Amino acid sequence: DIQMTQSPSSVSASVGDRVTITCRASQGISSWLAWYQQKPGKAPNLLIYSASSLQSGVPSRFSGSGSGTAFTLTIISLQPEDFATYYCQQGKSFPSTFGGGTKVEIK
Amino acid sequence: QVQLQESGPGLVKPSETLSLTCTVSGGSISGYYWSWIRQSPGRGLEWIGYIFYSGSTNYNPSLRSRVTVSVETSKNQFSLNLTSVTTADTAVYYCARSHSTTLLFVSWGQGILVTVSS
Repeated sequence: DIQMTQSPSSVSASVGDRVTITCRASQGISSWLAWYQQKPGKAPNLLIYSASSLQSGVPSRFSGSGSGTAFTLTIISLQPEDFATYYCQQGKSFPSTFGGGTKVEIK
Repeated sequence: QVQLQESGPGLVKPSETLSLTCTVSGGSISGYYWSWIRQSPGRGLEWIGYIFYSGSTNYNPSLRSRVTVSVETSKNQFSLNLTSVTTADTAVYYCARSHSTTLLFVSWGQGILVTVSS
């Protein structure tokens, strides 16, 4: 299985801050990477697919980059509704696997 | 807009079979891939397997020996059976839809907590 490793596991930030989350794959996955946001008690919500494509309806303050084994999710100007846990997921090979999550907390 | 809803027992005894159903409304089950995903504090998010509307399946090798996913197109439902459960199978179980085998999950159910306990 391809292992997905996220860092940091948590980050404290303030409204208006820029936040960057990293996801590394244990082997190359080209651009077969997605990012999800999950709020407590809710299902994950797709933000980014193909490493850098913004899902319809997702605010443009979210962006993704990377290919191969290293990827980043950036949130510019963090908003109150962005405090949540973020997960990466690879769709390059079966079984599809998720990162362990990064919790974005209020400073 | 398609909606997915999981249903089934919230409590299952060890060694028994966990059975869940996902009912799809607001859209057809045809043409899509339908997955089960679970989430627990210890294992994080784990993809269990999918079924294509035509009936073809693909399972996570870690669970393959215990998992069956089936579809009932006439009822717009698909189901999960997980046999010989242990406490390690305690999790929130989600059903989700994707357009292809790259498994981008755009639509999810709300999730159902299943606890394995005697």
